[in-house]
Amino acid sequence: EAQVTQNPRYLITVTGKKLTVTCSQNMNHEYMSWYRQDPGLGLRQIYYSMNVEVTDKGDVPEGYKVSRKEKRNFPLILESPSPNQTSLYFCASSSYFVGASTDTQYFGPGTRLTVL
Amino acid sequence: AQTVTQSQPEMSVQEAETVTLSCTYDTSESDYYLFWYKQPPSRQMILVIRQEAYKQQNATENRFSVNFQKAAKSFSLKISDSQLGDAAMYFCAYRSRANNNDMRFGAGTRLTVKP
Repeated sequence: EAQVTQNPRYLITVTGKKLTVTCSQNMNHEYMSWYRQDPGLGLRQIYYSMNVEVTDKGDVPEGYKVSRKEKRNFPLILESPSPNQTSLYFCASSSYFVGASTDTQYFGPGTRLTVL
Repeated sequence: AQTVTQSQPEMSVQEAETVTLSCTYDTSESDYYLFWYKQPPSRQMILVIRQEAYKQQNATENRFSVNFQKAAKSFSLKISDSQLGDAAMYFCAYRSRANNNDMRFGAGTRLTVKP
């Protein structure tokens, strides 16, 4: 089954304690991205990756890091979480070919993060 | 930068009735994609319908259809014969074709279906 998986689904942590949210897709997609969802704001992009070892900032990258060492994985790292990073996080993937049409993004199930 | 506006934070509809959710967007591009995603209480983002800007024909998926007005930059979603399972948050989204990274979401519309 084609899917995007995220772990953990729920996480409660304390300020300053480093954490990683994993994301994996089995569709051989080149493009992957991270979003955060906050009430009244919709989804906002944190980071994206066009392919292995190619990443760039989205609209709200402060306080986050990412890496793309393998095509299927795109972890989100919070080096020193703060309460304003309490949010619902989504990983998404899609195919991406330079010069060709893009494709629909497929989303993971979401990770509810609470930073105390 | 492109922006997506959903002016209806909440909507309600009677079961079996029809409801239309509004979405407008701002862009200077001529080629792009528009989407409606559904987010039920499970929080999963589910693609409802997709429209390519170069296609004049409105997309349809079973009970879901869109009214795409390119000149007006409007992309509304019509749900016919509403069912209890349609209750969810609905997000309108825009994705540039020239810049595949540029994907924007509206703030969402919460749809309630009354039995």
